[in-house]
Amino acid sequence: SQQGEEDPQALSIQEGENATMNCSYKTSINNLQWYRQNSGRGLVHLILIRSNEREKHSGRLRVTLDTSKKSSSLLITASRAADTASYFCATDEGGSYIPTFGRGTSLIVHP
Amino acid sequence: ETGVTQSPTHLIKTRGQQVTLRCSSQSGHNTVSWYQQALGQGPQFIFQYYREEENGRGNFPPRFSGLQFPNYSSELNVNALELDDSALYLCASSLLRAQANEQFFGPGTRLTVL
Repeated sequence: SQQGEEDPQALSIQEGENATMNCSYKTSINNLQWYRQNSGRGLVHLILIRSNEREKHSGRLRVTLDTSKKSSSLLITASRAADTASYFCATDEGGSYIPTFGRGTSLIVHP
Repeated sequence: ETGVTQSPTHLIKTRGQQVTLRCSSQSGHNTVSWYQQALGQGPQFIFQYYREEENGRGNFPPRFSGLQFPNYSSELNVNALELDDSALYLCASSLLRAQANEQFFGPGTRLTVL
């Protein structure tokens, strides 16, 4: 079963625009992570936010976490064609610390 | 790029056969997890090994089994292959600690079952 669900399923934007993806989950978590996957390859870890954190930044990435709404968002600013990929959120529940992935958001950035 | 490697890259098998997939963990990592990713879906957790012992298992039947070796490399074995086993199989290594489990993924093995 999948804990997190990303929204939208697909997003198409122009280079230079910002891209926002959302993740909702069902039960309380320890951490939430965002990963990127290029064209059916392995996943690359982008950022981890702990349940007691509200916002984190890494380069052009900004992640927020709202535990009261059980949701997170990933913002990519000034997008580039190279950002074209699928983005997944992964949450770990309770004492598990095993990430459970959503279905992902497919982002296409047009040059 | 991470130090996690997987072999083979692609594999074609027929229904009923058995397959072994291999993973070499990133240096210093003591934990390996295996995921199955069907086309258009997110990775589904199969199981995790920590110091050669199974440390958690997802909703997969017993014909999915694994091993972790003293050098922390790992194998995923699937018996009696079914058509639905066609997927990308990902392994991920990590350093298990109390607060987080950031995972480093290999490039995957694409398995096709005919």
